[in-house]
Amino acid sequence: NAGVMQNPRHLVRRRGQEARLRCSPMKGHSHVYWYRQLPEEGLKFMVYLQKENIIDESGMPKERFSAEFPKEGPSILRIQQVVRGDSAAYFCASSQTGTDSPLHFGNGTRLTVT
Amino acid sequence: EDQVTQSPEALRLQEGESSSLNCSYTVSGLRGLFWYRQDPGKGPEFLFTLYSAGEEKEKERLKATLTKKESFLHITAPKPEDSATYLCAVQSTQGGSEKLVFGKGTKLTVNP
Repeated sequence: NAGVMQNPRHLVRRRGQEARLRCSPMKGHSHVYWYRQLPEEGLKFMVYLQKENIIDESGMPKERFSAEFPKEGPSILRIQQVVRGDSAAYFCASSQTGTDSPLHFGNGTRLTVT
Repeated sequence: EDQVTQSPEALRLQEGESSSLNCSYTVSGLRGLFWYRQDPGKGPEFLFTLYSAGEEKEKERLKATLTKKESFLHITAPKPEDSATYLCAVQSTQGGSEKLVFGKGTKLTVNP
């Protein structure tokens, strides 16, 4: 019974490069959420997706960030032209029904921008 | 704007020394309050969901309670393996949002 799988665990990018973070939800879960955790800060909501649909992207910066959850394959969080301030831990979570069901988190991708 | 404040930021206990962690919240309408545990280098692990004032839930040495303004996570006779950061989060009824608003957490260290 695999949990939420994220890869890579660690990602190093130079300023201006692109970062692609992948998330496979738990089996049977069709709701995916992305959160960002900065040092000494709490987890911040970024985006909520269901298969092929973005439901809520109110926490995602308007520029350089995008997310998708295609019909087949993992959810992808894409950061274009990364800057030092993008360095953080990015967590993906999934749930079975969305409403009132607990989120199950992956172990995150730690992005470092040099 | 929904807000969650956790206190203390850090707590050191001796094994067997019971204590409580606090989570104060302001939310337009509470849909649910969640407690998670996070170990270093790992993602948050779900512990409890509380929905209404007066509700309590227990799991091993942990007990979570909820009032209209705050939640407590009581730890009874803690062991070193209970050392972790404990996160509190709220979900609002407003706008049909599914997002959780997290506090910054309480880092608990239990010494043997």
